[in-house]
Amino acid sequence: EPEVTQTPSHQVTQMGQEVILRCVPISNHLYFYWYRQILGQKVEFLVSFYNNEISEKSEIFDDQFSVERPDGSNFTLKIRSTKLEDSAMYFCASSDTAGQSSGIQYFGAGTRLSVL
Amino acid sequence: AQKVTQAQTEISVVEKEDVTLDCVYETRDTTYYLFWYKQPPSGELVFLIRRNSFDEQNEISGRYSWNFQKSTSSFNFTITASQVVDSAVYFCALSRGFKTIFGAGTRLFVKA
Repeated sequence: EPEVTQTPSHQVTQMGQEVILRCVPISNHLYFYWYRQILGQKVEFLVSFYNNEISEKSEIFDDQFSVERPDGSNFTLKIRSTKLEDSAMYFCASSDTAGQSSGIQYFGAGTRLSVL
Repeated sequence: AQKVTQAQTEISVVEKEDVTLDCVYETRDTTYYLFWYKQPPSGELVFLIRRNSFDEQNEISGRYSWNFQKSTSSFNFTITASQVVDSAVYFCALSRGFKTIFGAGTRLFVKA
């Protein structure tokens, strides 16, 4: 069964450093998403991406965040200068439809980011 | 603004009991989608069901059933004859356009 793959599973970084979280969405999906889950809390929407553009973003997704689809398979989330409060589990998801017909979003296993 | 409320933070039941997880949502949109996801202790998010705003039919899948009532803006989830493997956090979510809002989740403990 196709799945969303995220690497690494755990990333440890120093405050102020840049990190790139990587995702390989399901191959025939066109819509991509990043979510964040601080330990023990709800899953929070960060950004959606389609056709090499951001479709929608939340207030959490400020200038320190960026997303990119550098090639035909990867989808990345970059955090420019990490802060302690960026420590969380980051989930990537993909779907085959969105907009007027919200497709089922399939989630990766997540990357746990620890900022020290 | 969109909002999803899961008022039950934690529920504890004994195996074989039935349990209902509540979900109430708010939206001004007429077209939207509702989802339930399961997050087991291993941490991944597992899709359970999607329902669009025009389809109020209840659904049953094995021991799982969902009751969608637009009149009360609720989309409740019932597990019949619960099992220990059902222990997880369950999230209700509302999707409109390119954004999905999750509820705070309900942690279900099923004791043997």
